[in-house]
Amino acid sequence: DAGITQSPRYKITETGRQVTLMCHQTWSHSYMFWYRQDLGHGLRLIYYSAAADITDKGEVPDGYVVSRSKTENFPLTLESATRSQTSVYFCASSQGAPYNEQFFGPGTRLTVL
Amino acid sequence: AQSVAQPEDQVNVAEGNPLTVKCTYSVSGNPYLFWYVQYPNRGLQFLLKYITGDNLVKGSYGFEAEFNKSQTSFHLKKPSALVSDSALYFCAVSPRSNDYKLSFGAGTTVTVRA
Repeated sequence: DAGITQSPRYKITETGRQVTLMCHQTWSHSYMFWYRQDLGHGLRLIYYSAAADITDKGEVPDGYVVSRSKTENFPLTLESATRSQTSVYFCASSQGAPYNEQFFGPGTRLTVL
Repeated sequence: AQSVAQPEDQVNVAEGNPLTVKCTYSVSGNPYLFWYVQYPNRGLQFLLKYITGDNLVKGSYGFEAEFNKSQTSFHLKKPSALVSDSALYFCAVSPRSNDYKLSFGAGTTVTVRA
């Protein structure tokens, strides 16, 4: 089906473990984004990517790593999870202009114990 | 750096009454402005955007927003609210550049009572 999907939808992990959140889109959008949503903060940009093999930091990149070897996939890795990374993570994509709306995935709720 | 303020955490209205969700922004130069809506346990959905031209922008589900440059505001409005409009609403701003970093407000929870 066309759209943007995220997996897993829910994840519980422990402090210090590595976790990878997956994002896949079928529109061939050039831009992809990772946000975290925390109460009182709205959405904050973690990383974004303009195309395959091109990534850049957002507002809160520390503790996260991204890659984009294929246009349709944009995984987000927490190399050593901390409790402060407990959050809801959203992936989004858009066509290549700042005035184009972003399309969001359903989110991944991550709990770090 | 750009920023967005949504001064009301919650807005409560009766069904059939007008709905307004406030948003003010700060950005260098002229902005691109967006409204998104989030229903429980769902991702954000695009409602409308301002790029240029007419200050009154119409969007999905009967929503509209007015761009006011002098007041740096972009308030979301709906003439007659429905119970199904109950959701979390986000305003977002992007500068007119090749910077794709969208900044979101903290969100406003709208509750429409029957």
